[in-house]
Amino acid sequence: GENVEQHPSTLSVQEGDSAVIKCTYSDSASNYFPWYKQELGKRPQLIIDIRSNVGEKKDQRIAVTLNKTAKHFSLHITETQPEDSAVYFCAASRFGDGNKLVFGAGTILRVKS
Amino acid sequence: DADVTQTPRNRITKTGKRIMLECSQTKGHDRMYWYRQDPGLGLRLIYYSFDVKDINKGEISDGYSVSRQAQAKFSLSLESAIPNQTALYFCATSDPRQPNQPQHFGDGTRLSIL
Repeated sequence: GENVEQHPSTLSVQEGDSAVIKCTYSDSASNYFPWYKQELGKRPQLIIDIRSNVGEKKDQRIAVTLNKTAKHFSLHITETQPEDSAVYFCAASRFGDGNKLVFGAGTILRVKS
Repeated sequence: DADVTQTPRNRITKTGKRIMLECSQTKGHDRMYWYRQDPGLGLRLIYYSFDVKDINKGEISDGYSVSRQAQAKFSLSLESAIPNQTALYFCATSDPRQPNQPQHFGDGTRLSIL
């Protein structure tokens, strides 16, 4: 089955700097890669996602890149702000397999002001 | 706003007890999922359902059962709770007709088994 590894487990950055979180997946048939943000005590919220036929997607200060050959994808947050502090999860799934999400272990992002 | 609602939000119980966690949604989505979240492990899929008559095991179904009472309701049961089932449980829904079929999560149930 699919296995998703996520690094780093914790990341501290200064406000205004960029943050990058990386994930690798094992199943070459996976074709959907969402990123979720979970604030303390809250539900995971989808922040951006990408399909395997796209190499990069941006939404304001966040972007996701996908390298299908290497089976890894990354979340990039630019101009970080204190409200970006949260736990971020990557996930992978296959649309043809019920879109069951396999999650990475999560990254705790701390933005220091 | 259409939402995913989980009850109870918190539950403390004893080993051996039967527990039911409930999930209801007003999104009109056909697909519903149960995950558990443990520190350092992310979220793991317990069961999922594509409609009332279609229920499937996920990655970690042992010790759990589910019931899809209606399109809008999906319950998770622990028949005889054990301490290592202490975790944060999330229900999620998705609509296969939407592009990318994103999953939308409820607020979670924090379950502690003593």
